[in-house]
Amino acid sequence: DARVTQTPRHKVTEMGQEVTMRCQPILGHNTVFWYRQTMMQGLELLAYFRNRAPLDDSGMPKDRFSAEMPDATLATLKIQPSEPRDSAVYFCASGWREFTDTQYFGPGTRLTVL
Amino acid sequence: AQTVTQSQPEMSVQEAETVTLSCTYDTSESDYYLFWYKQPPSRQMILVIRQEAYKQQNATENRFSVNFQKAAKSFSLKISDSQLGDAAMYFCAYRSALYGGSQGNLIFGKGTKLSVKP
Repeated sequence: DARVTQTPRHKVTEMGQEVTMRCQPILGHNTVFWYRQTMMQGLELLAYFRNRAPLDDSGMPKDRFSAEMPDATLATLKIQPSEPRDSAVYFCASGWREFTDTQYFGPGTRLTVL
Repeated sequence: AQTVTQSQPEMSVQEAETVTLSCTYDTSESDYYLFWYKQPPSRQMILVIRQEAYKQQNATENRFSVNFQKAAKSFSLKISDSQLGDAAMYFCAYRSALYGGSQGNLIFGKGTKLSVKP
């Protein structure tokens, strides 16, 4: 049963620290998405990759957030320095043919920045 | 820009009864996809059902069905024979079907919290 995996599942950190979240998309999928979920904003797109190339990161605060796909099996989302307002659940999702296929979500990383 | 609106923050249904969750959206595109995702307390986002805008036939998945009204830009979810395990947040989502460019992400509504009473 193929699934998107995310690590860590929970992260508590101090303000100013670097946070790295990892995602392993489903094997064979060529699109990866990072979403953030908060009570106030709901679910919003942070970054979107197709064939490992970034297509859209307009939803991401560029001064502190960065997203990469070092290879087809790994996507990373980094926050440096972290701030309390970054506290949220971060979801990774992957898909195959991006305009016709469904996005499958990982279990999310719950981040708390103190 | 496309938007998705779920006007019911919370809904409640008796076990074994039927409930309908509402969703409206705004778009100028003619081809797109619509989805309902379920998010239980575990936070996992689970696909419930999807609908292609070019298909007139409403999608169904077991106890879940949609009423897709393209002209009215409405996409409601009907859950029949509600079960305790259906209790969750339900999100309606839109996705462009345009080829090229960066339109691949899901645009979500704010969600509807469904409670199921035994």
